[in-house]
Amino acid sequence: GQNIDQPTEMTATEGAIVQINCTYQTSGFNGLFWYQQHAGEAPTFLSYNVLDGLEEKGRFSSFLSRSKGYSYLLLKELQMKDSASYLCAVSPGGGSQGNLIFGKGTKLSVKP
Amino acid sequence: GAGVSQSPRYKVAKRGQDVALRCDPISGHVSLFWYQQALGQGPEFLTYFQNEAQLDKSGLPSDRFFAERPEGSVSTLKIQRTQQEDSAVYLCAGGLGNQPQHFGDGTRLSIL
Repeated sequence: GQNIDQPTEMTATEGAIVQINCTYQTSGFNGLFWYQQHAGEAPTFLSYNVLDGLEEKGRFSSFLSRSKGYSYLLLKELQMKDSASYLCAVSPGGGSQGNLIFGKGTKLSVKP
Repeated sequence: GAGVSQSPRYKVAKRGQDVALRCDPISGHVSLFWYQQALGQGPEFLTYFQNEAQLDKSGLPSDRFFAERPEGSVSTLKIQRTQQEDSAVYLCAGGLGNQPQHFGDGTRLSIL
């Protein structure tokens, strides 16, 4: 079956660094996405990894290891506005065009 | 418009009624996706269009759910004979390729 696992909740302090892990087991793999979702709002695209390694984009970085079925999202210099849910999603590819499999999301709370 | 627009933002219906949810994607976005997001869960794929063609409807939970995009732009998701388990946020997303990049704020559907 298809399975995406990520922690339900995390808490971190303003200015700190936090790493949100995601493990996946899917029938195929055509890329991994991270989205940010504030309560009551649309998911916002953060990053896309299809090859192993680290992708850096400002305060946000995302890492992928396909052999381990593992990714993480790294948030640096945390700000209060980073409090949100972070969704990990995998594209299984193949015949499943557009069918992203999402995890349940990690609710991050940033404290002063 | 500048983003993906969904209407209505909130919809309350009695069990057994039919509802229609509208998505107006970003101009030029070939791909359009519908997702269902239950409270505290990640989005779950419903269906995918490329222009006016519905290429994947494997996520539609029953034959009460129907989606169309007749002219390759605006899309409508229709739910017939609504049931309480249909209560969720329905998200529309668009993109240029076969991955959803830009989500709308969703329609929050409550079935009484």
